[in-house]
Amino acid sequence: NAGVTQTPKFQVLKTGQSMTLQCAQDMNHEYMSWYRQDPGMGLRLIHYSVGAGITDQGEVPNGYNVSRSTTEDFPLRLLSAAPSQTSVYFCASSYRTRQANEKLFFGSGTQLSVL
Amino acid sequence: AQTVTQSQPEMSVQEAETVTLSCTYDTSESDYYLFWYKQPPSRQMILVIRQEAYKQQNATENRFSVNFQKAAKSFSLKISDSQLGDAAMYFCAYQLTAGNMLTFGGGTRLMVKP
Repeated sequence: NAGVTQTPKFQVLKTGQSMTLQCAQDMNHEYMSWYRQDPGMGLRLIHYSVGAGITDQGEVPNGYNVSRSTTEDFPLRLLSAAPSQTSVYFCASSYRTRQANEKLFFGSGTQLSVL
Repeated sequence: AQTVTQSQPEMSVQEAETVTLSCTYDTSESDYYLFWYKQPPSRQMILVIRQEAYKQQNATENRFSVNFQKAAKSFSLKISDSQLGDAAMYFCAYQLTAGNMLTFGGGTRLMVKP
């Protein structure tokens, strides 16, 4: 199984540019989410989705858009990149129901630099 | 809102010794999960151990164990017989049982000295 696949692994943008971070999972997980990781602050939730067609905001949603047209994909869009969005971005997914062995699966992260 | 605090930005331990990483959290809920994640330089998030709040017994996974004090809202990680491969960032995280969202602490960088 591929698990959670994020692309690209690295990206450099100029201020004001737009881009989409891709996330795909092949485990039929209902729940998908995006986190950003800044030094000394751990991971913070940007947006999440509990199923196709359903999205909601997390702790730090400003400057980001998401959509969930399929169960497999959950792209994160930066419409006008700002230096404050320089960070490492993680996509994560899991089953929505609580099971004894359920866990959150993480992608390998995207290092984004905005100049 | 729930908060998770890791008060030790950095810790170091001698190889084969034992180290304890601290974590406290704040919540008004009674049913939740707590986790420790390891993040090596590869950036991969690796689940180390998980504790269900309704269980009084502390979770153990090989050399990793936790000390879960629900009343004190404390959740520390003990690593026994430390190995060079244990060197990494360690994150404590909280999750409501009814939801999937994780709230992370700021992390502790663990260095292992040979």
